[in-house]
Amino acid sequence: GAVVSQHPSWVICKSGTSVKIECRSLDFQATTMFWYRQFPKQSLMLMATSNEGSKATYEQGVEKDKFLINHASLTLSTLTVTSAHPEDSSFYICSARSQRGATDTQYFGPGTRLTVL
Amino acid sequence: QKEVEQDPGPLSVPEGAIVSLNCTYSNSAFQYFMWYRQYSRKGPELLMYTYSSGNKEDGRFTAQVDKSSKYISLFIRDSQPSDSATYLCAFLNNAGNMLTFGGGTRLMVKP
Repeated sequence: GAVVSQHPSWVICKSGTSVKIECRSLDFQATTMFWYRQFPKQSLMLMATSNEGSKATYEQGVEKDKFLINHASLTLSTLTVTSAHPEDSSFYICSARSQRGATDTQYFGPGTRLTVL
Repeated sequence: QKEVEQDPGPLSVPEGAIVSLNCTYSNSAFQYFMWYRQYSRKGPELLMYTYSSGNKEDGRFTAQVDKSSKYISLFIRDSQPSDSATYLCAFLNNAGNMLTFGGGTRLMVKP
């Protein structure tokens, strides 16, 4: 149980286009999902916290108009990178929070590698 | 069978103890092996990153990889209360487009 999927796993796009990444919790409901980005050999950097039915909370330095987050249901959050540029090329990872009884755990998706040409 | 198995803990040790954290994996496509530390309400922080069998040391931390047994370990020497966190193993495939995390082990180091 507790599987999180991401789609697509790898995307290449031209500069100036927009890319949407989906994060789904497959067998549990997640009121909270998190979006991270990771540059090679560096830590995951939290970009934003996505709460179902409300606006996402962005970390300092993350442009909310560039990285649009929608958490429309308890099992789906999307991250749209608008007007992507080569410096947006990175590994984007989501996680979904599962709260069952006394257990509070994050389950991570497999990540999406974005390459902007 | 899950691709990655990691004991969730919690693991409680006294200050100064040597801590051993472990993960087993089944996917031979995993080529890069990582350990992350995550404090409560924070994003995971990369501790160690390796791609070959053997040991890699960084201060009080030693990462050990045994590809033949599909087993990785993280050792923490002289553990401190500040090491109390959740430790996640993670695996990256050769193409670099899929990262698989273990469920994490919660470590508590008591003064």
